[in-house]
This record gives sequence, structure tokens and C-alpha cells, in this order.
Amino acid sequence: GEDVEQSLFLSVREGDSSVINCTYTDSSSTYLYWYKQEPGAGLQLLTYIFSNMDMKQDQRLTVLLNKKDKHLSLRIADTQTGDSAIYFCAEKSGGGADGLTFGKGTHLIIQP
Amino acid sequence: ETGVTQSPTHLIKTRGQQVTLRCSSQSGHNTVSWYQQALGQGPQFIFQYYREEENGRGNFPPRFSGLQFPNYSSELNVNALELDDSALYLCASSLDARGGSDTQYFGPGTRLTVL
Repeated sequence: GEDVEQSLFLSVREGDSSVINCTYTDSSSTYLYWYKQEPGAGLQLLTYIFSNMDMKQDQRLTVLLNKKDKHLSLRIADTQTGDSAIYFCAEKSGGGADGLTFGKGTHLIIQP
Repeated sequence: ETGVTQSPTHLIKTRGQQVTLRCSSQSGHNTVSWYQQALGQGPQFIFQYYREEENGRGNFPPRFSGLQFPNYSSELNVNALELDDSALYLCASSLDARGGSDTQYFGPGTRLTVL
């Protein structure tokens, strides 16, 4: 079955880069997503990458995809206190109607 | 452009009762998906509706049911509530489930507490 794994916590200093990692098992994944969730809120779409891409950059965010190892990472440059949140990796399988499969989320903690 | 909205924000029910949660999709989107997020977990897919038809279902029992209306808004109904149904229920809309990315935009969620 499908599975998405993430580390539960990441602590970084303000101004440093944060790298959040994710592994997935479904080789038929077509799109992979990163969502951000602040306390008591819904999920905010940050970015997504198609499975035939290696990298995507969007302002402070860089997504790297290693399809051979089924490994996805999200790099946040110049991490700020407002980046403190839970970050979810999610995949969508080919063929469509199964919804997204999410990891358990990584808590990003910013140290001053 | 209006984003995804959900109502109510919070809800308290007792075991055995029934509940209806509502979602309005983002303007121009014809697909709505529902997710259950238990405390400390990632969202779990319940089902998806595309143009008023169920278009896929996760591993949830039949007491979880839904509807989608001609304006693409949606309801999630849960019968015979159990304590484990306590969770944040998230609705997401997307442009077209039959398309490529099916990029889903989430609402703020409804927090359901079952006592």
C-alpha cells in the first residue's frame, strides 16, 4: 500500500535554511505536494512537483525530487519565525480518484 | 475569488448522534474531497465528489456519506458517531479531478468533538 514517511520534528535557527525530508512508496505517484499547517488552521498549499521533474524553485522554497530513491525534500531559505508550523508531504497516485496520501507532518521549530 | 469555506467551525456531539458538515468549493472548482485529521496525524482521505458523483473513497465505513450539489458545494454526513470520530474534518476543492495535478485547496476545517 501507499505510505509517506516524514521526521516528526526539525529545529533550526532563525536565518538558517530548513530542509524537510519525505519518503514515499508508491512508484506510480504522479504529483507530490508540500502543505503548511499553522495551529488550529487548515492546510495551505506551498508548492507541488510533477514526478518527471527533479527540482522546482519558488522564491524561498526549493523542492528536490529523487524518483529513484522515492525521496522528496523541501528547503526553506532564510527561515523566519513565521515559518514555524507543521509541514506535510503528500502524494497523488496515477489514475486519480484516490485522494492525496499524507505523511504525519514535520513540526518546524525556529530558535531565535 | 472566494476560497474554500466550511461550516460550522466547531461542533460538539454525543455518541450515537448524527452530524452534517458543509463545504463551499472555490469558485470555478467542480471537485470536492473530504479528509479526516486526527490529533497529531496527517489527513486521511474519506471520499471525493466530482460533478455530483462519488469519484473515489478511502478506507472509511458506510456511515460516512456525502453529497455534492449542482453549485459544487458539498456535505459530509456521519451517522452513529463514535468517540474516535473526534477530529478535524477538512474539505478541499480542485479544478477538475479528471485533469492532471488535481491540485487541492483546503478550507479551514470543522473541529468535531464526540463525547
